[in-house]
Amino acid sequence: DTGVSQDPRHKITKRGQNVTFRCDPISEHNRLYWYRQTLGQGPEFLTYFQNEAQLEKSRLLSDRFSAERPKGSFSTLEIQRTEQGDSAMYLCASRSRNTEAFFGQGTRLTVV
Amino acid sequence: ILNVEQSPQSLHVQEGDSTNFTCSFPSSNFYALHWYRWETAKSPEALFVMTLNGDEKKKGRISATLNTKEGYSYLYIKGSQPEDSATYLCAFYSGSTLGRLYFGRGTQLTVWP
Repeated sequence: DTGVSQDPRHKITKRGQNVTFRCDPISEHNRLYWYRQTLGQGPEFLTYFQNEAQLEKSRLLSDRFSAERPKGSFSTLEIQRTEQGDSAMYLCASRSRNTEAFFGQGTRLTVV
Repeated sequence: ILNVEQSPQSLHVQEGDSTNFTCSFPSSNFYALHWYRWETAKSPEALFVMTLNGDEKKKGRISATLNTKEGYSYLYIKGSQPEDSATYLCAFYSGSTLGRLYFGRGTQLTVWP
């Protein structure tokens, strides 16, 4: 499978716990995005990497959120001290300079 | 923050009806406009990448037009089918924002048999 893969697909966690999601982009894509989608909304931008450099981070991303992309390959998104408002679908996408974005199937987070 | 607006927010049509949606975006620093289809339980899938003013693209019964000077794009579906039911997203790519895609909220289309 050469598409974007995300793990896990679903995560249920108790409020206050930390969670980490992983995204494996298409191998030749140097740009990687994280988005969050809540009910009735389009994808909201969280952060963007070009290779291993985190070039932009949304103000939506509080200090409880951190993302990494070591070696410019896979990326992780960690949420510390989860809150109920963090419940959402977390989408990862990758692209090359002149292509469309290719999305993973997302990780659905439910904070109880 | 760049604003990308889509209308309508949702649309219900009968099988066989033709329909269209609008995406509005800033007309300055335009680089590209993407359309995606997002079916339930699947990944968003790219329909079109549009870069030139006046572009018209077509894929089967779906087509899109682009006006970069006035900042809008239309997506048309001819003879809607139930399998067209999905959320249609547009995303604006500005030349000044280091590669970030700005998404609209989407138009949720339901096609009734």
